[in-house]
Amino acid sequence: GIQVEQSPPDLILQEGANSTLRCNFSDSVNNLQWFHQNPWGQLINLFYIPSGTKQNGRLSATTVATERYSLLYISSSQTTDSGVYFCAVERYDYKLSFGAGTTVTVRA
Amino acid sequence: DAGVTQSPTHLIKTRGQHVTLRCSPISGHKSVSWYQQVLGQGPQFIFQYYEKEERGRGNFPDRFSARQFPNYSSELNVNALLLGDSALYLCASSLIWAGYSNQPQHFGDGTRLSIL
Repeated sequence: GIQVEQSPPDLILQEGANSTLRCNFSDSVNNLQWFHQNPWGQLINLFYIPSGTKQNGRLSATTVATERYSLLYISSSQTTDSGVYFCAVERYDYKLSFGAGTTVTVRA
Repeated sequence: DAGVTQSPTHLIKTRGQHVTLRCSPISGHKSVSWYQQVLGQGPQFIFQYYEKEERGRGNFPDRFSARQFPNYSSELNVNALLLGDSALYLCASSLIWAGYSNQPQHFGDGTRLSIL
């Protein structure tokens, strides 16, 4: 099956800092999503981004499908950004394959 | 509009028992998928259903089964529960089965299952 690698595994930020999370995948995909899982376990859709660039407030994402990676940018981080960020891909079938996640801790 | 709803939110069972988890998709969504998330890991795919038919199955034992109803809601059943079945079970819905169109999946808040 397709392999999804996320880096870094852990990230500690001071409030107000910027950061970049990376997702590499091993094969071509037709769907890529970024999720934020909060401490209560809720998995929140951030971006549906099989290719190109999107922005939503302080968050933005870029997927370069031909090079099999995606980046998630967090700017001016806030404590509410803490949690686990997952990248998930779908390879022309019916299932999302998730990476192991990046755990982000934002300190006040 | 309501998002994906799952019930119950929490459940405690003992080894050997059976459990049924329920999911209602977003209105208009015909595809429902189930995922298991063990503590510290990413979600793992269990099943996908579209138009009441199983379209995909992950690497899970036959103790796991599911079905989809005419109103597109779904149930996940697990028999002969083991300690290792303790996890967060997530349901996701999408507008159209991925085989036909590229659509994002939307997740419910999950059912946290604990096996004693």
